[in-house]
Amino acid sequence: SAVISQKPSRDICQRGTSLTIQCQVDSQVTMMFWYRQQPGQSLTLIATANQGSEATYESGFVIDKFPISRPNLTFSTLTVSNMSPEDSSIYLCSVEFTRWGNEQFFGPGTRLTVL
Amino acid sequence: KNQVEQSPQSLIILEGKNCTLQCNYTVSPFSNLRWYKQDTGRGPVSLTIMTFSENTKSNGRYTATLDADTKQSSLHITASQLSDSASYICVIPGRGSTLGRLYFGRGTQLTVWP
Repeated sequence: SAVISQKPSRDICQRGTSLTIQCQVDSQVTMMFWYRQQPGQSLTLIATANQGSEATYESGFVIDKFPISRPNLTFSTLTVSNMSPEDSSIYLCSVEFTRWGNEQFFGPGTRLTVL
Repeated sequence: KNQVEQSPQSLIILEGKNCTLQCNYTVSPFSNLRWYKQDTGRGPVSLTIMTFSENTKSNGRYTATLDADTKQSSLHITASQLSDSASYICVIPGRGSTLGRLYFGRGTQLTVWP
């Protein structure tokens, strides 16, 4: 399996500010994914980040609000910009390994609270 | 429309008891179904992956079943422990035009009481 770490694990932020979440994987992976999990809800895909190309965003998510970087095969960042209380969620990154039947492994998540 | 429905939404059982969680899906085409366990404040962790041809798969005290004809899966937990308290999520990956997409159920929140 993969070891995935995220920083920070949690944060409390003020409305209007931005937070950058880091995701580090212990193996090189082509595809990394960013999810949002609102309280009591299932995971919602924000975007897919492939190294060397622009991230692909899902309907309802835009690059200006959630810019993503993917500088190499083991690291990615997600920024939540101009935050509002509605952005309070858990944000998770995940990776997919084709050699393990396309199984996805998830990071521990970043719990974000916006006041 | 590709959907994954789980029941019950929440469940409380006493330590040592067994329980069964349900997952019904409409995702098509189908390749495999995954059960994840998500502890509070943690990311989901894979319990089992069941392919189209598998009917039953066990992982310790967890046993998953799959009926691809009725598009139903269940996760049976035997001799529950306090550490089983978590959300259990049924996940199905897309294929064809939806390759790379995961379809998530909302999860069943299991609480095990001593």
